[in-house]
Amino acid sequence: SQTIHQWPATLVQPVGSPLSLECTVEGTSNPNLYWYRQAAGRGLQLLFYSVGIGQISSEVPQNLSASRPQDRQFILSSKKLLLSDSGFYLCAWSVRRQGDSPLHFGNGTRLTVT
Amino acid sequence: KNEVEQSPQNLTAQEGEFITINCSYSVGISALHWLQQHPGGGIVSLFMLSSGKKKHGRLIATINIQEKHSSLHITASHPRDSAVYICAVLPYGGSQGNLIFGKGTKLSVKP
Repeated sequence: SQTIHQWPATLVQPVGSPLSLECTVEGTSNPNLYWYRQAAGRGLQLLFYSVGIGQISSEVPQNLSASRPQDRQFILSSKKLLLSDSGFYLCAWSVRRQGDSPLHFGNGTRLTVT
Repeated sequence: KNEVEQSPQNLTAQEGEFITINCSYSVGISALHWLQQHPGGGIVSLFMLSSGKKKHGRLIATINIQEKHSSLHITASHPRDSAVYICAVLPYGGSQGNLIFGKGTKLSVKP
């Protein structure tokens, strides 16, 4: 069966520090991978998605970047965190080239920038 | 105006009650998702539908494409159903995963 791992679960970082959140998927090949953010009181927002190694699409301009160094690994990064980067970050995957495939979410990372 | 509106925002029910959560959207869609977010934050996909009705256990999801409306029903509600329920739509021509999310309905079921 497929599983998705996301870590860390919680993170407190000072403004200006770097960020690296990691997500890995097991039990499937060639998945579409996604990073979402959920800010307090707001709906989920797609940040990045990837259809293959090294292929990253960004949906919103921001202080963050994403990379996919391996087929089942997706990393969210920042060189210098801002207070506005605080939120709940979720990684997800779906079956590639299947437009009606459900999304499978990780357990999320709660990031607080102080 | 939000493209995906959910109602109610908050819902408190007694154990055993029949629950309905509504979702209205304003764009043409390829699919609609119902998601469940637990208090710890983890999200589980409950349903994905583009027409008609789907049932899984005590959960039923319906969609009316012409009216741009979907409902999520929970029969014989239980305290473990307490969670935030999120409606999300995939617009026509949108890239997979680029969903428009509602803000969620927070459900609390009292024993």
